[in-house]
Amino acid sequence: DVKVTQSSRYLVKRTGEKVFLECVQDMDHENMFWYRQDPGLGLRLIYFSYDVKMKEKGDIPEGYSVSREKKERFSLILESASTNQTSMYLCASTRDSGGPRNEKLFFGSGTQLSVL
Amino acid sequence: AQSVTQLDSQVPVFEEAPVELRCNYSSSVSVYLFWYVQYPNQGLQLLLKYLSGSTLVKGINGFEAEFNKSQTSFHLRKPSVHISDTAEYFCAVTPANTNAGKSTFGDGTTLTVKP
Repeated sequence: DVKVTQSSRYLVKRTGEKVFLECVQDMDHENMFWYRQDPGLGLRLIYFSYDVKMKEKGDIPEGYSVSREKKERFSLILESASTNQTSMYLCASTRDSGGPRNEKLFFGSGTQLSVL
Repeated sequence: AQSVTQLDSQVPVFEEAPVELRCNYSSSVSVYLFWYVQYPNQGLQLLLKYLSGSTLVKGINGFEAEFNKSQTSFHLRKPSVHISDTAEYFCAVTPANTNAGKSTFGDGTTLTVKP
């Protein structure tokens, strides 16, 4: 089965630090996504990528950037972490099949980031 | 733009009772609809999806959902729940022919099954 692995389950950082969240998928998926999950707010899309070195902004990109140097790895970067970025971060991937008819979204287990 | 409203933030229910988790959506275009489940300390898993055709969709773990276009609803049901169904459930909508990863998610409904 497809595996989406997020490198850290829990992360504690200080305000102003540069933070890297790593996500790796093992099924050669073209599409990768980063979300943040907050209680009562559901999932909100931060950034996504349809191909290597390609990125597009989601609904809440402010304060974040991403990097996709290799097909299997999609990194989320907090340039200068702030307390309002304390959240659960979820990575997901899917094969490029032309639409949801044939695709399935696979999620990682999430990284709970606390910014103090 | 699309929006999703999950009408109940928490649903407590006893084991073996039926359950319905309610989801309404709004959209000016045709949409695809999804239900996901998130067990504690895990990512989301797809339960079922509606793309077209029969309005009654069956998913994994005995769940089903009915698409009602006139009421713009996509409620999730299970006739008899188990303790192991305790989890958070998310309804999601995406414009037709758009990647599922760009879905708009609801705020979630926490289902708690009590013995």
